[in-house]
Amino acid sequence: GAVVSQHPSWVICKSGTSVKIECRSLDFQATTMFWYRQFPKQSLMLMATSNEGSKATYEQGVEKDKFLINHASLTLSTLTVTSAHPEDSSFYICSAPSGGRKAFFGQGTRLTVV
Amino acid sequence: GQQLNQSPQSMFIQEGEDVSMNCTSSSIFNTWLWYKQEPGEGPVLLIALYKAGELTSNGRLTAQFGITRKDSFLNISASIPSDVGIYFCAGTNAGGTSYGKLTFGQGTILTVHP
Repeated sequence: GAVVSQHPSWVICKSGTSVKIECRSLDFQATTMFWYRQFPKQSLMLMATSNEGSKATYEQGVEKDKFLINHASLTLSTLTVTSAHPEDSSFYICSAPSGGRKAFFGQGTRLTVV
Repeated sequence: GQQLNQSPQSMFIQEGEDVSMNCTSSSIFNTWLWYKQEPGEGPVLLIALYKAGELTSNGRLTAQFGITRKDSFLNISASIPSDVGIYFCAGTNAGGTSYGKLTFGQGTILTVHP
């Protein structure tokens, strides 16, 4: 299957700082990527759709000024958690659709805000 | 919005037993996907289903897209210890580049005793 890579795998940051998470499609191009958040022992919830060359679209209840998304190229989307607080601690996962109507996920980023 | 109900929430089985889990939706999907997630990792695609009634296998895994387009099941035959993990169903009606916009079930935690 297609390969989607996230970086970093885990990050610890201080409250009030910003953290950037990268999502790359390694062997295919993706004009659209998706960002999900997963709290412990819960399912994945879609946060936003990242669109190459245009603004991201956010799901209801997700603060666009807090979760900045940039899709600068056909293989890279970034999620920046700004002014992070402990309640932002979560597992963030990106996905990208590939040929054959399938969606592939990155390995996820564990964010801990202290 | 669309809701996915996945059951059972958890299963404890002996190695060699067969496993069955299912998802139902409040509305129709045009695609069903089944993923497996291990701790600290992103979901890995197991099977993708695109047509009502479709039955697809991937090794010891078999999944079906329900005729009503509101349900899907996943069977695992002759389970082995490495089948341990959380299994998620996911549905989508998106097309084209939006194909990663998924609604997830709550997950089934599978434990296999040797």
